[in-house]
Amino acid sequence: GIQVEQSPPDLILQEGANSTLRCNFSDSVNNLQWFHQNPWGQLINLFYIPSGTKQNGRLSATTVATERYSLLYISSSQTTDSGVYFCAVGNNRKLIWGLGTSLAVNP
Amino acid sequence: DGGITQSPKYLFRKEGQNVTLSCEQNLNHDAMYWYRQDPGQGLRLIYYSQIVNDFQKGDIAEGYSVSREKKESFPLTVTSAQKNPTAFYLCASKGMNQRYTGELFFGEGSRLTVL
Repeated sequence: GIQVEQSPPDLILQEGANSTLRCNFSDSVNNLQWFHQNPWGQLINLFYIPSGTKQNGRLSATTVATERYSLLYISSSQTTDSGVYFCAVGNNRKLIWGLGTSLAVNP
Repeated sequence: DGGITQSPKYLFRKEGQNVTLSCEQNLNHDAMYWYRQDPGQGLRLIYYSQIVNDFQKGDIAEGYSVSREKKESFPLTVTSAQKNPTAFYLCASKGMNQRYTGELFFGEGSRLTVL
């Protein structure tokens, strides 16, 4: 089955810093999504991005499907960005989830 | 407001008891999913349903059961056969026709602890 690898596993930032999170996957996919899980467990969909580039405020994502990776950029980080960022890939029936990148933003 | 409601948020159960977790959505989504999350792990798929009265096993269906009698509702029963049921359970839904982009939306989760 498809393998999903996220890096780095843990990240500590000072408020205002920028960061890049990476998601590598082992096979062609037609569905790729980035999620943020807050410290209370709520999962929020950030991007549906099987290919191309999207931006939403301080966040942007790029997926290069031919090279099987996706990047999530966080600019001018805030303490509310803390939590775990998951990448999930697959087809329209099933998604395979990475183990996440745990981000802590310090004031 | 449109969304997904899971209940209860916290649940304690004695070993040997079945427990049912509720998931209701008013997003008019066709597909609904149940995931399990253990500490430090990604999500693992338990069951999913793409249409009323039909559902499919996911990767870890043993010890769980579901029903899909209504489009809005997809309850999950954790049976006494589930060997290690203590976990965080997440329900999700997705629109399946052209009006939707394929994004998955989640409820707030139910945290089950077996004593």
